[in-house]
Formats: sequence, C-alpha cells, structure tokens
Amino acid sequence: GQSLEQPSEVTAVEGAIVQINCTYQTSGFYGLSWYQQHDGGAPTFLSYNALDGLEETGRFSSFLSRSDSYGYLLLQELQMKDSASYFCAVHRRDDKIIFGKGTRLHILP
Amino acid sequence: DGGITQSPKYLFRKEGQNVTLSCEQNLNHDAMYWYRQDPGQGLRLIYYSQIVNDFQKGDIAEGYSVSREKKESFPLTVTSAQKNPTAFYLCASKVGKNTEAFFGQGTRLTVV
Repeated sequence: GQSLEQPSEVTAVEGAIVQINCTYQTSGFYGLSWYQQHDGGAPTFLSYNALDGLEETGRFSSFLSRSDSYGYLLLQELQMKDSASYFCAVHRRDDKIIFGKGTRLHILP
Repeated sequence: DGGITQSPKYLFRKEGQNVTLSCEQNLNHDAMYWYRQDPGQGLRLIYYSQIVNDFQKGDIAEGYSVSREKKESFPLTVTSAQKNPTAFYLCASKVGKNTEAFFGQGTRLTVV
C-alpha cells in the first residue's frame, strides 16, 4: 500500500519560520514534491526532491531523507499571503503521484 | 500560452446523468492525471495515463471512465454509478518521470 502523513494544521506568526513535515510509505519511490493551494484555487508547484538533501527556492526550502522516508517544507519570512494548504506528494516509478491530505497553515499578524 | 485547460469551471448535473469533464494541455506532456478533491480534503487519484491509448486506475476509479485518444486530451466521464460525484475535479500533467506536475484550474461539479 501507500500512505503519507502530514499535520492537519499549523499556526505561525508573520515573519517567522515554519516547518511542515511529511512521512511516507510506498513502493517504487521516485521523489517527493510540495504544492500550495489557496482556498478555491488549484494546487501550484513549490518544489521537488529526488535526492537526499535540501533544495532552496527563495523563501521556500524542501528536504528529503530517503532512508527515513521523510521530508519537510520550510517556509521563511512568513507573509500573510502564505496562508494556504500545503500538500506533499509522492512520485512513484510507475508515474503514479499520490498526495497527502494537506496541512492548513494559519498565519497570525 | 502553454498550459492545462479544464472546462467548464462550474458544472451542474441532475442525479443519474453521465457528465464529461474536459482536460486539454498544449505542453507536450506525456503523463496526465485526474484527481478528486472534497472540501477540506486532499487530492485522491482517479485515473492517470502515461501515453496515448493507455491509462491506469488510481485509488478511486469506480464510477469514472477516461480515454486518451490524443496526447493533448484526457477527458473524464463521471457516470451515474459514482455514488457521490459532487466534488472539485483537478487535471494535471507532467513531461517526464523526474518532474513536477502542473494543474489546470479545476472543474467544480455539483450533482443535484
């Protein structure tokens, strides 16, 4: 089978740093991606990790540890517009992409 | 402009009717996907296709059907066998194995 676990909600303060964790179980693992979705909108791509380590793109970074079946998304210098749902997704060798249930990020002024 | 187009944005149907949701991409992507999202929930995979004339069931394929006659198009039919079809339907595509997926803007289907 396959499963992804991520926290359902996270709250942080504007300007702070927040980390959203994702643990996964799947066969044929190829990579882990992260998406942002605002209410009523479509998911937009944030980052993709195929290899262990940290990938940085502006205020967003993503980390992957294949041996631990674990990854995280790090958001720095939080802005109110970052209030959204964040999804981790496992990419498999058979081209299947499986999404987690999402983490709702609340940002306090 | 290259992208993925889903139409219509909102769709209303009566219970018992089949309905087809359109998904077209001009990105020359090989793989295409259909997901269903219920309020406050994650994305659940319905069907996906890696190449033309081939597709695989996802985790919740019952009550749905697809076709992939052209590389650019991957329509989804929600049949009357789908017990609870009201949802937000998202189409996505990607070019290769080690790449991200891009999403269309989605179709909100309401069955009354």
